[in-house]
Formats: sequence, structure tokens, C-alpha cells
Amino acid sequence: EAQVTQNPRYLITVTGKKLTVTCSQNMNHEYMSWYRQDPGLGLRQIYYSMNVEVTDKGDVPEGYKVSRKEKRNFPLILESPSPNQTSLYFCASRPGQDSYEQYFGPGTRLTVT
Amino acid sequence: AQSVAQPEDQVNVAEGNPLTVKCTYSVSGNPYLFWYVQYPNRGLQFLLKYITGDNLVKGSYGFEAEFNKSQTSFHLKKPSALVSDSALYFCAVRDPRGSGGYQKVTFGTGTKLQVIP
Repeated sequence: EAQVTQNPRYLITVTGKKLTVTCSQNMNHEYMSWYRQDPGLGLRQIYYSMNVEVTDKGDVPEGYKVSRKEKRNFPLILESPSPNQTSLYFCASRPGQDSYEQYFGPGTRLTVT
Repeated sequence: AQSVAQPEDQVNVAEGNPLTVKCTYSVSGNPYLFWYVQYPNRGLQFLLKYITGDNLVKGSYGFEAEFNKSQTSFHLKKPSALVSDSALYFCAVRDPRGSGGYQKVTFGTGTKLQVIP
């Protein structure tokens, strides 16, 4: 089944404790993105990647890192999480520049205390 | 900079009645426009898109949307609402000209649709 998977789905952590949220897609898509969803703000893009080893900042990149060493994986790293990073996170992918539909993962609900 | 506005946080409609979820956009060139739906505890699912051509586009689950260039709007519609349509709906815009080879997608803040039995 074609899908985008994220792990973990739920995470409660403490301020400053490094964490990684994994994202994997099995559709051989070139483009991948991370978004955060907050009430009243909709989805905001954190980082995106156009291919292996090609990543760039989105609208709200502060406090986050990403890497794209393999085409299928696009992990989101919070080196020192803070409470303002409490949010619902989505990974998404699409085939490439000329494609339209994005495919979203199920989301990761992160709480930082 | 491109932007999307969804002026209604929530829309309530009776089952069987027509529904409209509003969306307006701002982008420099000719836009690509999208609607996505999010059911509780799920990721976003693609509903429909406007790229070019006929201003009325049809999508999944009986939804359609009308592109109006003069009003810069892309309202989502359905002739007869179902209780199962209750969900969070997001409008999104993409500028096909892009920057640095990347065409950024900007999402609206979402509209919660409540269909009342």
C-alpha cells in the first residue's frame, strides 16, 4: 500500500531532551515536507526537500533540523525542544515538480513540558 | 507573498442541504488551487485541484469547487451534505512559477464543517 508513515504517533517529552520524528514514504517521491498544525494557524511548512541531500527552510524552521540521506526517509530533529514546539506534525510527499497532490502521513502529536 | 484566507472557522449545515466552504487566495501569477480534508486523528487527504481549464472542478466524495479569477476565490461546494462529511477542510494555493525550482504550497487556517443530522 502506498503510504507515508510517521513515528511515533504520540510523544510527550521534557524541555531540552533531543528527539527525532521519523518519516518514510514508499512511493519513490522526490519531494518531502514537514508541517506543523496549530489551532488558528493552519499548516505551516517547517522544512522541505526536493531530493536526496537537497533540503531548505520553510516558513517556521527555527528549532528544527532535517536530513535527507535516502529518498524514502526524511526525519525531523528537535535538538532542544521547547514548549512552543508542542504541536501536531505532519510529513508529506509528492512525486516531483510537475505533480500536484501531496500525500500526508497520519501525524505526530508532540507535547513538550 | 502568496496567502490563503478561509474566513469561517466553522460552518454548520443540515444533512441534505447544500454546503459551501469559502476560500480566497492571493498569488502573483496564475494559481494552482487545492482542497484537502482532515478527519479526526488522520492526515490530510486530497479532495480536488484546479490547475487550468474549466472553472468548475469535481473531486472526491461528490465535492466540487468553483474557481473565480476576478474574485480570487475557490469555494468548495457539495449539493447535498452528509453527516460523514463532517471534518476539517483546508484550502491551499501554489504558485507554479516557484522560486529556486520549488513551488511552495500555502495552506489556509482550516474550516470545520459540521453536518447536523
